[in-house]
Amino acid sequence: KAGVTQTPRYLIKTRGQQVTLSCSPISGHRSVSWYQQTPGQGLQFLFEYFSETQRNKGNFPGRFSGRQFSNSRSEMNVSTLELGDSALYLCASSLGGKNTGELFFGEGSRLTVL
Amino acid sequence: GENVEQHPSTLSVQEGDSAVIKCTYSDSASNYFPWYKQELGKRPQLIIDIRSNVGEKKDQRIAVTLNKTAKHFSLHITETQPEDSAVYFCAAGAQGGSEKLVFGKGTKLTVNP
Repeated sequence: KAGVTQTPRYLIKTRGQQVTLSCSPISGHRSVSWYQQTPGQGLQFLFEYFSETQRNKGNFPGRFSGRQFSNSRSEMNVSTLELGDSALYLCASSLGGKNTGELFFGEGSRLTVL
Repeated sequence: GENVEQHPSTLSVQEGDSAVIKCTYSDSASNYFPWYKQELGKRPQLIIDIRSNVGEKKDQRIAVTLNKTAKHFSLHITETQPEDSAVYFCAAGAQGGSEKLVFGKGTKLTVNP
């Protein structure tokens, strides 16, 4: 079974630009979550999607948005990039059943904002 | 708001010694407590988890204990090996139709041969 795939793996943007990151979950997984990982703050929850609906959202500004498609693939977008957005963005998929369960992480998309 | 405190931030042990990492959570609704291991340059991977109806769970050299009253949970690694060197994250989650986890800031464990 293929794991969680994230693209692109690395990208460099300048302040003010926008970026779109993509995540393909494990086949059969209906929940996709996004986390921002930085050295000082660890993993911070951005949002979770289940069956194309946002089920939960973290404390990030509205510049951060996401969506999920009918095949469970997900994208997240960051507009008007700031230097502080430089981070590793991790996507995680899970079955999305009634009980919280194991998250399977992708390798991440490393964003550098100059 | 929801918060998970994790200590220590760094831990260095000799091979064969035990390592203990402690976490405290704030949200009383939390009932799922996983631990993830992230090796350098790699993705986080689940190593063990515990639900609130259980006080302790063990898997070979790894064990997790939970004290719901005190809102504490801990990871215990016995007979540490160099390959245990990694960053360990505790997390807390709640039922209610969401996979959201609140993570601690991580503990960098170094096992010296």
